[in-house]
Amino acid sequence: GAVVSQHPSWVICKSGTSVKIECRSLDFQATTMFWYRQFPKQSLMLMATSNEGSKATYEQGVEKDKFLINHASLTLSTLTVTSAHPEDSSFYICSARLQGETQYFGPGTRLLVL
Amino acid sequence: DAKTTQPTSMDCAEGRAANLPCNHSTISGNEYVYWYRQIHSQGPQYIIHGLKNNETNEMASLIITEDRKSSTLILPHATLRDTAVYYCIVLNSGYALNFGKGTSLLVTP
Repeated sequence: GAVVSQHPSWVICKSGTSVKIECRSLDFQATTMFWYRQFPKQSLMLMATSNEGSKATYEQGVEKDKFLINHASLTLSTLTVTSAHPEDSSFYICSARLQGETQYFGPGTRLLVL
Repeated sequence: DAKTTQPTSMDCAEGRAANLPCNHSTISGNEYVYWYRQIHSQGPQYIIHGLKNNETNEMASLIITEDRKSSTLILPHATLRDTAVYYCIVLNSGYALNFGKGTSLLVTP
């Protein structure tokens, strides 16, 4: 299957700082990328959908000014958690898809906000 | 997207076939059945998908009933590394995957 990478794999930051997470499709061009988060012992929750060159579409309850998504190229999307707080600590996972094809997921980024 | 129902948990002995059921009685004609799994602390891994016909790949087989209201994922020879949460998801091509609670499969020695 296709390969999706994320960087960093884990990050610890102080409350109030911003954290950027990168998602890359390594061997295919992704017209659409998705961002999910997963709290302990829960399932993945879709946060937003981003199409290359367009503004992201956020799910209900996800603050677009807090979770900034940029999808500037067909192989890279970034998620910036602005002014992070302890309740933002979670496992963030991206996925990428070529139009109409299967979604492939990255390995995830574990964020801990102190 | 159609909703799916899966058992919360299942056990399987190593080397035996693992058969994971999924009910999707409200599936519509253009919705696919996708299976993913998530091993602890990793991103989900694509396994297989199908529309009407049964499908097989190097990882698993997918059996879809004729009325498409249910399906079964078969891991022919389960290993300890197959211990994971398995998600059955029904969706239209082009939409985002929405994950339910899945089935937690434990493969025992």
